Amino acid sequence: QKEVEQNSGPLSVPEGAIASLNCTYSDRGSQSFFWYRQYSGKSPELIMFIYSNGDKEDGRFTAQLNKASQYVSLLIRDSQPSDSATYLCAVAYNTDKLIFGTGTRLQVFP
Amino acid sequence: ETGVTQTPRHLVMGMTNKKSLKCEQHLGHNAMYWYKQSAKKPLELMFVYNFKEQTENNSVPSRFSPECPNSSHLFLHLHTLQPEDSALYLCASSQAGGRDGYTFGSGTRLTVV
Repeated sequence: QKEVEQNSGPLSVPEGAIASLNCTYSDRGSQSFFWYRQYSGKSPELIMFIYSNGDKEDGRFTAQLNKASQYVSLLIRDSQPSDSATYLCAVAYNTDKLIFGTGTRLQVFP
Repeated sequence: ETGVTQTPRHLVMGMTNKKSLKCEQHLGHNAMYWYKQSAKKPLELMFVYNFKEQTENNSVPSRFSPECPNSSHLFLHLHTLQPEDSALYLCASSQAGGRDGYTFGSGTRLTVV
C-alpha cells in the first residue's frame, strides 16, 4: 500500500513567520512530488512540484526533497493570513498516478 | 471557458436515481482523472484515462461508471448510490505522464439521501 503521510494540524503561525509543512512517503520508487493548496470549499491548486533532491524556490515558497529519507517539505516565508488553507502533499508513482496525503491545515494569524 | 469545468456544482440524489457528472478540460491535456474527496480522508483516485483509454480502475464499485468520449470530456455515471458515497467528486487533467501535475476542476458536491 503506497502511502503519503502528513500531520493534519492545524499548524498555527503568526503573520510574517515561516511555515514549515512536512510529508513522508512510503514508495522509494516515487519520482515526482507535488504540493497543492486547498481553500475551504474549493478544489486543490498546484503550488509547486519537485523531482530532484535539494531545494526548489518559487517566490515565498520553497520545496525540499530528500529521497533517501523519503521526505518532502514546503516552506512558506513571510506567511500571510491569505495563506491559511489546507496543504496537500502528493507523490507520483507508476508515471501518472498521484497519491495524496490527508493534508495539513495551516492557520496564519495577524 | 478555461481550465477544467465540472457540472453540476452540487447534486442531491436519491439512492434509486441515475445521474451523471460532467467534466470538460480546455487545456489540451490528454489524461483525465476522477477523484473522490471525503472528510478526514485523502483524495482517492477512482479512474484514469489516457488518450481516451481507461488505464486505471482503482477497485471502484460498479455503481460508478466512467465514460471518456474524447480527450477533452469525461463523465461519471451514477446509479443506485449509497449514503456513504456522499463526497466531493473532483475531475482533473494533465499531460500524459502527469509530470507537471494535475489541474483540478471545481468539483461536484454530491449528497445521496
